Amino acid sequence: DIQMTQSPASLSASLGETVTIECRASEDIYNGLAWYQQKPGKSPQLLIYNANSLHTGVPSRFSGSGSGTQYSLKINSLQSEDVASYFCQQYYNYPNTFGAGTKLELK
Amino acid sequence: EVQLVESGGGLVQPGRSLKLSCVASGFTFSNYGMNWIRQAPGKGLEWVAYISSGSSYIYYAETVKGRFTISRDNAKNTLYLQMTSLRSEDTALYYCARGGITIAAIPFAWWGQGTLVTVSS
Repeated sequence: DIQMTQSPASLSASLGETVTIECRASEDIYNGLAWYQQKPGKSPQLLIYNANSLHTGVPSRFSGSGSGTQYSLKINSLQSEDVASYFCQQYYNYPNTFGAGTKLELK
Repeated sequence: EVQLVESGGGLVQPGRSLKLSCVASGFTFSNYGMNWIRQAPGKGLEWVAYISSGSSYIYYAETVKGRFTISRDNAKNTLYLQMTSLRSEDTALYYCARGGITIAAIPFAWWGQGTLVTVSS
């Protein structure tokens, strides 16, 4: 199975700041990488797919990049509504695997 | 609008069985693969199982293989997860999520609200 190592586990940032979350795959996943946002008590919401494509309706302050085994999610100009947990997922093959998550809080 | 509504969760003793359901609406259910994904309390996401549109292809996570069975009834627009020999580590919120038209894995744009399974004596 492909292992997804996500960092950091938690992150504290100020409003307006830029934050970056990283995900490393144990082997090449050929951009089969998605990012999700999950708020407490809610289902995960797709943000980014194919490593760098913005899902419909997602604000443009979210962006994804990377290739091979290294990927990242960047949030520009952090807003209060961005406080949430974020997960990466590889869907290059089965079993799909997720990163352990990053909890983003306001400083 | 795509809607996925899970049900069937509850408190169950270790070793017992439980069957979850997910009723789909807002799309042609029989055209899409479907997935179960779970999330233990306060933990991350774990993909559990996949079934293709016509049930020809089925995949499981190693942690549930041999104990869980995914199935579907396209006439009823319903996805199922039969869980047997339940363990405490199966305690989680179980989500269904829509897959793609082909068997290739895709990101999950549509999720249900989840149904909670608690395995405890």
